[in-house]
Amino acid sequence: DAKTTQPNSMESNEEEPVHLPCNHSTISGTDYIHWYRQLPSQGPEYVIHGLTSNVNNRMASLAIAEDRKSSTLILHRATLRDAAVYYCILLLWANAGKSTFGDGTTLTVKP
Amino acid sequence: EAQVTQNPRYLITVTGKKLTVTCSQNMNHEYMSWYRQDPGLGLRQIYYSMNVEVTDKGDVPEGYKVSRKEKRNFPLILESPSPNQTSLYFCASSLFSGDSPLHFGNGTRLTVT
Repeated sequence: DAKTTQPNSMESNEEEPVHLPCNHSTISGTDYIHWYRQLPSQGPEYVIHGLTSNVNNRMASLAIAEDRKSSTLILHRATLRDAAVYYCILLLWANAGKSTFGDGTTLTVKP
Repeated sequence: EAQVTQNPRYLITVTGKKLTVTCSQNMNHEYMSWYRQDPGLGLRQIYYSMNVEVTDKGDVPEGYKVSRKEKRNFPLILESPSPNQTSLYFCASSLFSGDSPLHFGNGTRLTVT
């Protein structure tokens, strides 16, 4: 099964950019790459998703490698509220609805 | 307000006593899914449903049952709970398309003694 690999933890300073990497070397052509984040005692919250092209929204940017085997979530200016666990997941719609979560990256933002 | 509602938020029960955790969404989503989250293990998919009367096993289905009789509801049933099912459970829904985000509920913390 396709799966994702992320670093366990990363640190950033407030108001600096953060690049969170994710490897998904076994991704198939129809798998969408999604990113979610989870604050303590809450459910995961959608951040951004993409298939092949880089994507931007008000929360973040998603850079997808040309071979799609890796992606990077970019927070342009980290704030203390961005401290969370970030999950990179593949939605395997070609596999009839299975989803695979990685272990997530715990982002610490220092003031 | 578009949302996924899980009940109860907290549940403490004893081994073997059947329980149901409810999940309801008001977005007319075809796809619904249950996950459990344990320390150090991330989120693992239990069961999912692509539409009414269509369900399938995720990665950790043992000890759980689900049903999808209506589009909006996707209850998780533990017929004989055991302590190893103590966990944090999340329900999620989405349009059935990889191009649509998953919407998660706020979670149910289950303790089985």
